[in-house]
Parts: sequence; structure tokens; C-alpha cells
Amino acid sequence: QVQLQESGPKVVKPSETLSLTCSVSGDSMNNYYWSWIRQSPEKGLEWLGYIYSSDNTNYNPSLKGRVIMSLDTSKNQFSLNLKSVTAADTAVYYCARDRFAVIDYFDSWGQGILVTVSA
Amino acid sequence: VYMAQSPPSLSASVGDRVSITCRATQTIDNYINWYQQKPGEAPKLLIYAASTLQTGVPSRFSGSGSGTDYTLTISGLQPEDSGTYFCQHSYSTPWTFGQGTRVDIK
Repeated sequence: QVQLQESGPKVVKPSETLSLTCSVSGDSMNNYYWSWIRQSPEKGLEWLGYIYSSDNTNYNPSLKGRVIMSLDTSKNQFSLNLKSVTAADTAVYYCARDRFAVIDYFDSWGQGILVTVSA
Repeated sequence: VYMAQSPPSLSASVGDRVSITCRATQTIDNYINWYQQKPGEAPKLLIYAASTLQTGVPSRFSGSGSGTDYTLTISGLQPEDSGTYFCQHSYSTPWTFGQGTRVDIK
């Protein structure tokens, strides 16, 4: 059974870059899409984007070009970089496996990591 | 695509049948999933493609709908069903979620 675990700094200063890593265990990363999703009281659940390979990514336009995702299958990890953060980026960040069977859905999630943007 | 979910909250008794609806701003052709979230936990997939039950999910959960309107039904509410339920479409990116329905047990 696949397991996902987010890691990274829990406090980020305004204007800096938020960097998180998701470690995947229990299954191969091949042939899946891997997503980042965040949740805040203000915006609810928000899909940030997915990565399938280094040249196959899809980002939410709401992030206005601030996001880059990367994948390292040799380490069984994928990462999120969100630059120029503000208080509005404070949220619980989840990594999730995006499985495609008829349609795309998130069948496995990490436990989530609360990231606070604060000076 | 915006997903309007209703009601925002409901309270029901054990054994009741409860329904949660999501209305999309355009047709999404059954490209909708439903999740359950308990406090402090990640969402858990219940149903995908409008009506397909995820492995291991109790059969009292069911999904239906078409076009723009979809429903999650719990037939025979159990105490462990308390939590918040979300719909999510995957018709086209960016995928979006409903605002959630909090279910309380009386």
C-alpha cells in the first residue's frame, strides 16, 4: 500500500520560497501523476498542480507562475517550490497520488504539513 | 469550473439517509469524485467517476448524478460517518473542490 509523507520548513518568511518534498513508499512512482493540494479556512481545498515527468507538469493558473514542481524517481520523491509567498499561502499542504482509472482522482494522500508564512 | 456544494452542514441521526449535492457551473460528464475528511486528517477517497465505490468503502455510500448535478448519499448513517465531505471535479484543469459539507451525528 502506497504511503506519502510531506516534509519541509513549517515557517516561511514573506517573499521567500516555500519548498516541500513528498516521499513515496510502498509502490513505484512510474505511471502515476503526483499532485500538490493545499487547504486553508479562506480558500478551502485548492489543487496546486501535478507532475508526471520533468516535461509533463500542469499548474493551477491561480498561482500565477510562482510554482515549480520536480520529480526524482530514483529517490521516490517529488517536490513543490512556491516562490514569493505571502500570508495568503499559509495552509496545510498535502501531496497526493493522482490515479487515472476512467477519470483522475486522488486515491492516496500524505498526512499534510501546516506551513505558516510569517516574519 | 466552480463546484457549488450544499448544504454547508447537516445534523442527522444514526440510521438516517442523508444526501449532499454538488452543482457544477458546466457539464462535467461524471468527472466527479467524493472525499471524506475527519479533523486533523487528510481527505479520503470515497467515490470516483460519480458512482464507483473506492475499494474498502462501505456500501452505504453511493453516488449519482449527471450533467451538472451530482449527489453523495449515505444510506443508514453511522457514528463513524461524522466529518466533512467534499466533491471534486476532474473534467478539466484546474481541478476544483466544493466548499465542503460538515456532517454531525445527533
